[in-house]
Amino acid sequence: DAKTTQPPSMDCAEGRAANLPCNHSTISGNEYVYWYRQIHSQGPQYIIHGLKNNETNEMASLIITEDRKSSTLILPHATLRDTAVYYCIVRGYGGATNKLIFGTGTLLAVQP
Amino acid sequence: GAVVSQHPSWVICKSGTSVKIECRSLDFQATTMFWYRQFPKQSLMLMATSNEGSKATYEQGVEKDKFLINHASLTLSTLTVTSAHPEDSSFYICSAISSGNNEQFFGPGTRLTVL
Repeated sequence: DAKTTQPPSMDCAEGRAANLPCNHSTISGNEYVYWYRQIHSQGPQYIIHGLKNNETNEMASLIITEDRKSSTLILPHATLRDTAVYYCIVRGYGGATNKLIFGTGTLLAVQP
Repeated sequence: GAVVSQHPSWVICKSGTSVKIECRSLDFQATTMFWYRQFPKQSLMLMATSNEGSKATYEQGVEKDKFLINHASLTLSTLTVTSAHPEDSSFYICSAISSGNNEQFFGPGTRLTVL
């Protein structure tokens, strides 16, 4: 079972920041929060992941609450090419916990 | 970044035939690969975990005799859909875990249409 809850859809204006929330209230201490996205008819693309600290890379920022029960993925300047389904996934490290179990994700529609 | 390829990218076959899909890690070694299936407007569903040199581990409800998985090398896993039927038509996606950094990378997917 997916361990995360995300809104089914969100809109964002082109050029504005897109903030995608995710709840993972049952996350374990050794589980990471991963974000992937899937553009229509393509394989999922890795975006970012974190354990407890906020993380930033060239694609996005990940803000994890202090209690780790929720997180927010931030796309600082959304473009039309960022329209995709965004998946927030909780994943362990090593062995059987390596599996990525996908929930329903959030369909982000970037509007011109 | 690490690249995972799939072949073919799409295939159309007649009902009752078998179809083989290949998943390759192009620039890294992958002791573990995963196979997913995705129906239209749905999320990815994990089918099985493929471990190099050993039998695959199937998720509940996935028929191991119908979906044959072979992981013969550190860079190649194959999924064979045996005696395919129209209900097997789907988007099949593989992923591979890099043994170097434990990160998981996805292939572009294979669209199977069974007539």
